[in-house]
Amino acid sequence: QITLTQQAESLWISPGERVSITCRASQSLLYTDGKHYLSWYQQRPGQTTKALIYHASVRTDGVPTRFIGSGSGTEFTLSIEHVQPEDFAIYYCLQTLKSPWTFGGGTKLELK
Amino acid sequence: EIQLQESGPGLVKPSQSLSLTCSVTGYTITSGYDWSWIRKFPGNKMEWMGYISNSGSTNYNPSLKIRISITRDTSKNQFFLQLNSVTTEDTATYYCARRKLRRDYFDYWGQGVMVTVSS
Repeated sequence: QITLTQQAESLWISPGERVSITCRASQSLLYTDGKHYLSWYQQRPGQTTKALIYHASVRTDGVPTRFIGSGSGTEFTLSIEHVQPEDFAIYYCLQTLKSPWTFGGGTKLELK
Repeated sequence: EIQLQESGPGLVKPSQSLSLTCSVTGYTITSGYDWSWIRKFPGNKMEWMGYISNSGSTNYNPSLKIRISITRDTSKNQFFLQLNSVTTEDTATYYCARRKLRRDYFDYWGQGVMVTVSS
């Protein structure tokens, strides 16, 4: 199965800063259709899990433009510009290229 | 508005079966998409467990294949998880979620239900 590694379990940042969360895959997530099957999710206490990005770089409907997905092959990044108080949460990457679909270990954004 | 809601016992004894229900409102589960169970362990590790498609076919994580069954009741617009022979390592928060096909991401999730396996 494909392993996704999110190196940082926690990142401490202040509101207004920019942060990048990385996700490394054990093999390329590029499919023959030219798309990368990598998505990003946000989990906040008391809220349902929210999809932020799909196909590595496409924001889902309604997601603020400060959330930016990038990367290709095996290396992917979720960047958040000008972090807002509501962005302090846990973030996961997920690959759906090959079953079993697998998640990264999660990165918790914490208030510095 | 599409909503998914998990329900089931919060405590299960070791060696018994865990049974959960996901009730879907606002969308008919036979209309499209596939419907997954996902769990989050203490410590935040997430695991995709399996799905049932809109046509009723299933796909399971091989790590669970001999213990898991996902079924549905289309008349009630619900789908179900059964996990047999549970151990304390199955203690987790269980989520149901809808996967948006082609765009290939989970667009709707339930709130999750915490299940503890303990004697």
